[in-house]
Amino acid sequence: EDKVVQSPLSLVVHEGDTVTLNCSYEVTNFRSLLWYKQEKKAPTFLFMLTSSGIEKKSGRLSSILDKKELFSILNITATQTGDSAIYLCAVEGGTSYGKLTFGQGTILTVHP
Amino acid sequence: EPEVTQTPSHQVTQMGQEVILRCVPISNHLYFYWYRQILGQKVEFLVSFYNNEISEKSEIFDDQFSVERPDGSNFTLKIRSTKLEDSAMYFCASSASGSGYEQYFGPGTRLTVT
Repeated sequence: EDKVVQSPLSLVVHEGDTVTLNCSYEVTNFRSLLWYKQEKKAPTFLFMLTSSGIEKKSGRLSSILDKKELFSILNITATQTGDSAIYLCAVEGGTSYGKLTFGQGTILTVHP
Repeated sequence: EPEVTQTPSHQVTQMGQEVILRCVPISNHLYFYWYRQILGQKVEFLVSFYNNEISEKSEIFDDQFSVERPDGSNFTLKIRSTKLEDSAMYFCASSASGSGYEQYFGPGTRLTVT
């Protein structure tokens, strides 16, 4: 059975701090790993990673994948209160295309 | 920017009733999905749909569930006889292709079964 585990489950920081969120996975026929930000409702897409060692960046957010050790990290630098959300990691793999297996999420709270 | 839309945002129904949740995927996308999230739990895959047929379904997606693309824009999830445990947030998602392409999620329909 495909498995995605995120850590920590929750994190409380102050504005300006840097945070690292972790995602480890066990999935057959890995194809991609995706990060989403979930605020009030819909998960909004952040990154998709398919190759090891290539960092993806968008502003203060960056992410990297290690396919040998089966994990990914999401970094957020200079955090702002607007970064408060649940960050979801999802993996696509197995025998079917497109099916995402999600982790339980990391709840990030950024205090002013 | 194109987005996935879903209606209604909240649906309250009585146990045993049929509900239809509606989604309008992004217009040039070809793959469509339903996921659900029970309060406090993980987002779970229900079904994927391509070329007017189901590509994959999870064990949750039993005979009470069905999906349809009745026209060129809508994608629906029907639950024939709702149970209390069907109460959840239901998300529709779409992607340009089935693999290697990001899935974009709609805002969700909160289904409450009483």
